[in-house]
Amino acid sequence: KAGVTQTPRYLIKTRGQQVTLSCSPISGHRSVSWYQQTPGQGLQFLFEYFSETQRNKGNFPGRFSGRQFSNSRSEMNVSTLELGDSALYLCASRDSPMNTEAFFGQGTRLTVV
Amino acid sequence: AQTVTQSQPEMSVQEAETVTLSCTYDTSESDYYLFWYKQPPSRQMILVIRQEAYKQQNATENRFSVNFQKAAKSFSLKISDSQLGDAAMYFCAYRRGGSQGNLIFGKGTKLSVKP
Repeated sequence: KAGVTQTPRYLIKTRGQQVTLSCSPISGHRSVSWYQQTPGQGLQFLFEYFSETQRNKGNFPGRFSGRQFSNSRSEMNVSTLELGDSALYLCASRDSPMNTEAFFGQGTRLTVV
Repeated sequence: AQTVTQSQPEMSVQEAETVTLSCTYDTSESDYYLFWYKQPPSRQMILVIRQEAYKQQNATENRFSVNFQKAAKSFSLKISDSQLGDAAMYFCAYRRGGSQGNLIFGKGTKLSVKP
């Protein structure tokens, strides 16, 4: 069974641009969560999607958005990039929101210059 | 709000020896779960061990075990017979029960294993 796949693995963007990151969960998993990891703030929860609906959202500005498709694949979008958005973005999947075990992808390293 | 604190930014252990990583948390919830995740240089977070708050028995997974002190809100990870492959960042995480809980992570402990 394939694991959680995140694309791209690395990304360099210019301040002010927007970016879209993709996450394909484990087959059969319908819950996808996104986390931002930075040296200063550590790991912070962005949002969770289940059955194409956002179920939970962390404390991030509206520039951060996401969506989930009918095949459970999820995308997150960051508009008007700032230098502080440089981070490792991790996606985790679960078969349902009630399941406590989350499986993580290898992340997308975003660098904003 | 729930918080997770890891007071040891870095730890070092000799190969084959035992090391304990500390974690404390704060919550007013009665239904919750605690986790230890390992993040090697490959960046992928790997679940090491999980503890349900309602279980008094400490969880164990091969060389990994926890000391769960619910009243003290402490959740330490013991790694026995440390191996070179154990070198990584270790994150303690909390999740409340129910379907709305997301993971709340500590800042992490970088574990080095000396041959």
